[in-house]
Amino acid sequence: GENVEQHPSTLSVQEGDSAVIKCTYSDSASNYFPWYKQELGKRPQLIIDIRSNVGEKKDQRIAVTLNKTAKHFSLHITETQPEDSAVYFCAARLRQGAQKLVFGQGTRLTINP
Amino acid sequence: SAVISQKPSRDICQRGTSLTIQCQVDSQVTMMFWYRQQPGQSLTLIATANQGSEATYESGFVIDKFPISRPNLTFSTLTVSNMSPEDSSIYLCSVGTGGAAEQYFGPGTRLTVT
Repeated sequence: GENVEQHPSTLSVQEGDSAVIKCTYSDSASNYFPWYKQELGKRPQLIIDIRSNVGEKKDQRIAVTLNKTAKHFSLHITETQPEDSAVYFCAARLRQGAQKLVFGQGTRLTINP
Repeated sequence: SAVISQKPSRDICQRGTSLTIQCQVDSQVTMMFWYRQQPGQSLTLIATANQGSEATYESGFVIDKFPISRPNLTFSTLTVSNMSPEDSSIYLCSVGTGGAAEQYFGPGTRLTVT
C-alpha cells in the first residue's frame, strides 16, 4: 500500500525565516496531496493542497511544490510568524475515487521570536 | 466547508467497557472516515463509514472492536469496544464532500481508558 515519509520530525526556525517540510510517497498513482496544520489540542486543519496535474501552488505565505517523477512534495512557509508554530502533516490520496488519505509522521515546527 | 461536531469531546472510561462516539455534519456528505491519533503520533485511518452498508476497515482494525454505523449522509458513530488502556487516543471523524478530494476533520474525542 501507499507509504508517506515526512522529514524533518522537528524544525525550529527564527521568526521571519523560511521553513521547508518534505514528504515522499511510494504509490505513483497517488494524485492528491494535502497539508494539515494541527495546533495543540485542536483538530487538523487543511491549509493547502495540490493535485498531480500541477507543479506548484501558492497561498499567501505558504506554497506547496510537487515533483511527480521523484515522488516527493514539499511545504514552504515564508516570513514565518509565531502563530505558524504547530505540527504539520502531509498526506497522499491513493487513487482516484477512493478518497482515502495516508498521512506522514508529522513535523513539529517551532518559530523562535 | 461543512460544520462537523463530535460527542463526547472527551471521556474517561474503565477498561472492559465500551464507548460510542458520534459525528454529526451540518450537510450531506459523500464520504465519512474515522481516524485514531495516539498521543504525539500521526493520524491512522480506522475505517471508511459507508452509508447503508458495512464500513470498510483498514488493516489492523476489526468490526468487533470498532463497530461503525452510518444511517444517513450526515451522521456516523464509532464504538470502541471492550476497551483497554492501549485504546487511549484521540478519535477523529472526517468528511469528504462530493467529488472534491478535500477532507475536513471534526474536533475529535479524547478517550482515556483506566
